[in-house]
Amino acid sequence: DAGVIQSPRHEVTEMGQEVTLRCKPISGHNSLFWYRQTMMRGLELLIYFNNNVPIDDSGMPEDRFSAKMPNASFSTLKIQPSEPRDSAVYFCASSLRQGIEAFFGQGTRLTVV
Amino acid sequence: AQSVTQPDIHITVSEGASLELRCNYSYGATPYLFWYVQSPGQGLQLLLKYFSGDTLVQGIKGFEAEFKRSQSSFNLRKPSVHWSDAAEYFCAVAGNFGNEKLTFGTGTRLTIIP
Repeated sequence: DAGVIQSPRHEVTEMGQEVTLRCKPISGHNSLFWYRQTMMRGLELLIYFNNNVPIDDSGMPEDRFSAKMPNASFSTLKIQPSEPRDSAVYFCASSLRQGIEAFFGQGTRLTVV
Repeated sequence: AQSVTQPDIHITVSEGASLELRCNYSYGATPYLFWYVQSPGQGLQLLLKYFSGDTLVQGIKGFEAEFKRSQSSFNLRKPSVHWSDAAEYFCAVAGNFGNEKLTFGTGTRLTIIP
């Protein structure tokens, strides 16, 4: 398996623009997680899905953030409108179920200018 | 709610010396525990995990960790570090009742000096 695939790897956008991050989990995994990593706050869980259903979105910072998982092989994290403080590395991870080891993608480095 | 504390932000170790990275967790029952490593610009890679059974677990790259329930700890050890071990190390905890999220500590950055 190719592992968790995230795209794009790098994104630079202007403040106010919409940003969409994409994730393809490992085939057969039924849990998917979106994390954000910054120097100040470390690794923060934004949202996680189980069997395509959002289970806990308490980590989503604001209404500007939204995540979807339309099927078992694809998820998106959208920021609209983006702000400079959203600049971070966003990781997607998947696992067979919660509590079992999560496999991480390479991350998307987002820069909002 | 579950939480993880990694008290050491940055540790410097000489190559060939032993290493211990500390991790303390908070959870109401026996948790699932993990150590991940992150090299610069990379994602996180699992080093080892504890679910149940033997409290001393072996992982990849010569790492091991010991679960101590009485101390709520899961410290990571390596008897002799290599320059390639320089990275950021994250301890994580998850519940074992289903629908439990994986919570990470703040990480410990490991620097290796010759």
